[in-house]
Amino acid sequence: GNSVTQMEGPVTLSEEAFLTINCTYTATGYPSLFWYVQYPGEGLQLLLKATKADDKGSNKGFEATYRKETTSFHLEKGSVQVSDSAVYFCALSGGSNYKLTFGKGTLLTVNP
Amino acid sequence: DAGVTQSPTHLIKTRGQQVTLRCSPKSGHDTVSWYQQALGQGPQFIFQYYEEEERQRGNFPDRFSGHQFPNYSSELNVNALLLGDSALYLCASSSRRQGGSNQPQHFGDGTRLSIL
Repeated sequence: GNSVTQMEGPVTLSEEAFLTINCTYTATGYPSLFWYVQYPGEGLQLLLKATKADDKGSNKGFEATYRKETTSFHLEKGSVQVSDSAVYFCALSGGSNYKLTFGKGTLLTVNP
Repeated sequence: DAGVTQSPTHLIKTRGQQVTLRCSPKSGHDTVSWYQQALGQGPQFIFQYYEEEERQRGNFPDRFSGHQFPNYSSELNVNALLLGDSALYLCASSSRRQGGSNQPQHFGDGTRLSIL
């Protein structure tokens, strides 16, 4: 079945530091890949997506590239802010499988 | 444009009771999925409704059931509650008509269910 593996957290960074959160996946066919963000006490918000190999999703300074050869979709941001502190989830869906399969999430804390 | 709305926000029940959670999808969406998120974990898929039928189901027992209404809103019912059912229950909506599984799902803020 489908599965998503994210780097273990928590991740603690200083403001303006570079962020990478690793995500790899296992799936049949050609899944669509997503990053969601969850702020404390809230639901999940879509951060970015990519639907085919070599696509780059981007939003609010975050980027992730769909790498089929390495089955990866790593999240990056060049300069994090305190307001980026949240839990980040990598997820996939695909083909006739409409459900989202999530990783366990990575807690990011950004200190001023 | 209203997003996905869920009610109630919080709920406290005791073991053995039954609970109903409600969800209204984002305008223009026809598909509703339900997820259970335990503390510190990623969401786990419960089931998905489209055209008032359950289309896919995750690894959850029959105590978990649902319904979708003609206006696309949905309910999640859980019977014979167990302590382990304590979690955040998330509803997500999407549009099968607009591109199927490639379309992102939009989430509500969830219902926090606590079982005593």
